Amino acid sequence: EAGVVQSPRYKIIEKKQPVAFWCNPISGHNTLYWYLQNLGQGPELLIRYENEEAVDDSQLPKDRFSAERLKGVDSTLKIQPAELGDSAVYLCASSLVARGNEQFFGPGTRLTVL
Amino acid sequence: AQRVTQPEKLLSVFKGAPVELKCNYSYSGSPELFWYVQYSRQRLQLLLRHISRESIKGFTADLNKGETSFHLKKPFAQEEDSAMYYCALSWSGGFKTIFGAGTRLFVKA
Repeated sequence: EAGVVQSPRYKIIEKKQPVAFWCNPISGHNTLYWYLQNLGQGPELLIRYENEEAVDDSQLPKDRFSAERLKGVDSTLKIQPAELGDSAVYLCASSLVARGNEQFFGPGTRLTVL
Repeated sequence: AQRVTQPEKLLSVFKGAPVELKCNYSYSGSPELFWYVQYSRQRLQLLLRHISRESIKGFTADLNKGETSFHLKKPFAQEEDSAMYYCALSWSGGFKTIFGAGTRLFVKA
């Protein structure tokens, strides 16, 4: 099994440009998470989906960040426009259900904003 | 507010020495606690969770509600244990999770 797939693995853009990240969770996993990980820090939740519904997006900066999970499978996280401070690793994770379950992480996308 | 604190950014021990990675949490209810590990060039993965009460790769962790701690221990460290370790706290039936800042363990030969 491939596990959680993320693309691209690396992205370099100039500030004010848009950027999008894609995640394909493990087949059958209903819960999908997007995390932000700054250098030297642990993952911080941006948004959690249960199937296609965003059930926790309280930490998502909605002025520039958006996410979608069409058909409850793949998900896309977008930033528009990107700022210098958005440089970080963006992690996607999935779990069978949210309750007490192990989260399976993707390899992450390292974003550099110049 | 809920919080996870890992006081050590870096922990360096010799092979065969005991190792303890500290984790303290703030949560007034019944927490669920996890240790995740990230080996070099690998993705973050679950090491163990407190409800399982199991030993994985020789590591154990005991939840101490009185001290609000969930320290990770191994009696004899191995070089392959060198990695980044994150403590995580879940509540609301697992619907909320926060991670600590992580501790880098370096096991010297």
